[in-house]
Amino acid sequence: GAVVSQHPSRVICKSGTSVKIECRSLDFQATTMFWYRQFPKQSLMLMATSNEGSKATYEQGVEKDKFLINHASLTLSTLTVTSAHPEDSSFYICSAQTNYGYTFGSGTRLTVV
Amino acid sequence: AQTVTQSQPEMSVQEAETVTLSCTYDTSESDYYLFWYKQPPSRQMILVIRQEAYKQQNATENRFSVNFQKAAKSFSLKISDSQLGDAAMYFCASGGTNNNDMRFGAGTRLTVKP
Repeated sequence: GAVVSQHPSRVICKSGTSVKIECRSLDFQATTMFWYRQFPKQSLMLMATSNEGSKATYEQGVEKDKFLINHASLTLSTLTVTSAHPEDSSFYICSAQTNYGYTFGSGTRLTVV
Repeated sequence: AQTVTQSQPEMSVQEAETVTLSCTYDTSESDYYLFWYKQPPSRQMILVIRQEAYKQQNATENRFSVNFQKAAKSFSLKISDSQLGDAAMYFCASGGTNNNDMRFGAGTRLTVKP
């Protein structure tokens, strides 16, 4: 139980375009979803916390206008990277807290060319 | 606020031997969880073991066990009878209990030598 489905797993986009990443909780309701970014050979860094029906909370240094988070339902949270640039290329992964701890999506490898 | 520190960027162990990965943490939460996650090259986050802070007994999961020292804010992971499949990045993490976020240490890359 407690599965988070994340799509797409890989995406390549042109510089200046936007990319949407989706995380769905398949068998539980996720009132809160955490979004992390991981650069190569580094740890997971929390970007923002999304709460169903309210505004996301962003970590210091994360541009909220660039990384748009929407959590419109209890089973879906989305992260949109707007006007992507090569420096946004990274691994993005979502996580939700369950009764058993935290469960992670499988991650999205974003490459901006 | 939570911070997690892993002071060993890399560790190496001989197959079938035992290795201990270190982790210290700091948190302002009164109730919290501590975790060890394994991240293989696929980058999927795999939960290795979880410890509730209110429990004094150290958690164990087959070959994996922790040494949880709450007063010292230390949470080390012991892997016994190491296997080649244990090779991966290992992250220590701390999380609150009320939909609070989870913070990760910098990670330890474990190599298992045949």
